[in-house]
Amino acid sequence: AQKITQTQPGMFVQEKEAVTLDCTYDTSDPSYGLFWYKQPSSGEMIFLIYQGSYDQQNATEGRYSLNFQKARKSANLVISASQLGDSAMYFCAMRQGAQKLVFGQGTRLTINP
Amino acid sequence: EAGVAQSPRYKIIEKRQSVAFWCNPISGHATLYWYQQILGQGPKLLIQFQNNGVVDDSQLPKDRFSAERLKGVDSTLKIQPAKLEDSAVYLCASSLVPGQGNTEAFFGQGTRLTVV
Repeated sequence: AQKITQTQPGMFVQEKEAVTLDCTYDTSDPSYGLFWYKQPSSGEMIFLIYQGSYDQQNATEGRYSLNFQKARKSANLVISASQLGDSAMYFCAMRQGAQKLVFGQGTRLTINP
Repeated sequence: EAGVAQSPRYKIIEKRQSVAFWCNPISGHATLYWYQQILGQGPKLLIQFQNNGVVDDSQLPKDRFSAERLKGVDSTLKIQPAKLEDSAVYLCASSLVPGQGNTEAFFGQGTRLTVV
């Protein structure tokens, strides 16, 4: 069965610092995809970054990068040079092939000025 | 390109009443998801459609929840009768057919349901 675990309920970071949000997953399927979404207080879910299980390199999208450690089954999100607008809930999610997209419990990130 | 449309944005009903939510996915997206997000938690998948067929509804409380996707486009999620614990945001999302690389799900703005 698919399972996503985010162990950090909340994170507090100073503006301009880098932050790492943890995500571990459990699956027996060799083919899967990992996603990170941002949910601001307004409620919409915003896609940030994707990593495929067969991708050789870690995914990057602007200030977002994904630290993918396949053997450890972890897919941590790294945000460089954090900004006040990065304050939000962040969700890690996984899909096996065409199966359901499962989300973790989320991490609330607060950026302090 | 238009995003995922949901209505209504907000709904307040009394327990034991019925309610329906509507979703119009992004044009061409074969996969449609309904999620329930209780305050402070991650989204929980209720049902996933591919075209007009159900892929997964294992977490849908079928004694009170129902969903359909006629003609493989729009979808409706219904709750009858509602309970207090159904208070949540109901999110609809759509994607291209999964399993074909990066097929992220695009989300609507959600319907916030309050059951009193």
